[in-house]
Amino acid sequence: NAGVMQNPRHLVRRRGQEARLRCSPMKGHSHVYWYRQLPEEGLKFMVYLQKENIIDESGMPKERFSAEFPKEGPSILRIQQVVRGDSAAYFCASSPGGNIQYFGAGTRLSVL
Amino acid sequence: QQQVKQSPQSLIVQKGGISIINCAYENTAFDYFPWYQQFPGKGPALLIAIRPDVSEKKEGRFTISFNKSAKQFSLHIMDSQPGDSATYFCAASKGSGGGADGLTFGKGTHLIIQP
Repeated sequence: NAGVMQNPRHLVRRRGQEARLRCSPMKGHSHVYWYRQLPEEGLKFMVYLQKENIIDESGMPKERFSAEFPKEGPSILRIQQVVRGDSAAYFCASSPGGNIQYFGAGTRLSVL
Repeated sequence: QQQVKQSPQSLIVQKGGISIINCAYENTAFDYFPWYQQFPGKGPALLIAIRPDVSEKKEGRFTISFNKSAKQFSLHIMDSQPGDSATYFCAASKGSGGGADGLTFGKGTHLIIQP
């Protein structure tokens, strides 16, 4: 049973470009969470999605960031017009329901 | 407002010793308290978790102690080994059943086990 798959593992973007981060949850999991980790910091919750629905986006910046989890395919975290401050590790976690969450290996975003 | 405070920030323990990491929370609605282990360049891996209806949970060398009245919980690693050297995060969340809120994490503890 494959774990949570995130791609790409590393992503380099220039300021002003768009970044798309993908997350395929574990088989049978319909709950997806996105977190951001800055260097030497803990993970910060961004958004919680179930299939086709955003349940809680209270941790997501109001501008430039969006997330989706379509009926088919992976969950996508999209960052438009990236700035240097967006450089971080972005982690996705999936859950079958309830509290337990399993994390992927993350996408390291570098903005030049 | 930091809802989960973790200490110490870094910890050095001799091989075979006991590593102790502490966390305190503010939101009394939290009902799930996991610990995660993270190695450099990797994602957090769930180690052990506890709910507030028990005061202690043990899995192998890892034990969580939970004090509901003090709103504190701690991770004890017995017989610490060099392979335990990693960053450890405590976390908390609320909700169960169909779904739960996102986890609120502490800032992490860098643990080094000296041979």
